[in-house]
Amino acid sequence: TQLLEQSPQFLSIQEGENLTVYCNSSSVFSSLQWYRQEPGEGPVLLVTVVTGGEVKKLKRLTFQFGDARKDSSLHITAAQPGDTGLYLCAGGRGQNFVFGPGTRLSVLP
Amino acid sequence: DSGVTQTPKHLITATGQRVTLRCSPRSGDLSVYWYQQSLDQGLQFLIQYYNGEERAKGNILERFSAQQFPDLHSELNLSSLELGDSALYFCASSVAPSTGGVSYEQYFGPGTRLTVT
Repeated sequence: TQLLEQSPQFLSIQEGENLTVYCNSSSVFSSLQWYRQEPGEGPVLLVTVVTGGEVKKLKRLTFQFGDARKDSSLHITAAQPGDTGLYLCAGGRGQNFVFGPGTRLSVLP
Repeated sequence: DSGVTQTPKHLITATGQRVTLRCSPRSGDLSVYWYQQSLDQGLQFLIQYYNGEERAKGNILERFSAQQFPDLHSELNLSSLELGDSALYFCASSVAPSTGGVSYEQYFGPGTRLTVT
């Protein structure tokens, strides 16, 4: 059983569309991070959210941490082919992070 | 470029062999983490070191071991290799280990792709 669930598992959309991916858990996390990973590369940190209800914006990406600090969402506006990749969420728990299985996004030109 | 370096980038070896993967953390980071990523298991935490001492263990097999040296670089040793050990192995570093309610950001290296034949 995964401590962190991510949905959808796969998402294929056209350039210019909007999308939201989700990261859910039954556990409370001290913080939550979002990463993007491209094939053959290491995950690259996008954002860290630490406060329940917190919203952070990074250009076309909007991240939200749930009020109860158990879930998070990532919304991308006007997706571009460069957004293609595996999006991973990771919850801070004690001394470490627990990673979700990821959402694999493909943005077609 | 995250500032974390890993060598080698690719490694092909036979079952039963032993290999060593190397990681140099970002300048100033004292904590190092090792992860294994395979297609069916996702990113799995293996072990964490802080300033030379083991801090936390995850899903690390007894055939695997690691250490962090005084210069803060780390090595992951994998022995008696099996086909199922084929995966990407990532090292990440952070300025300090996360404790209690404080989580420090991790920066990942480019990984070592291990193929066991």
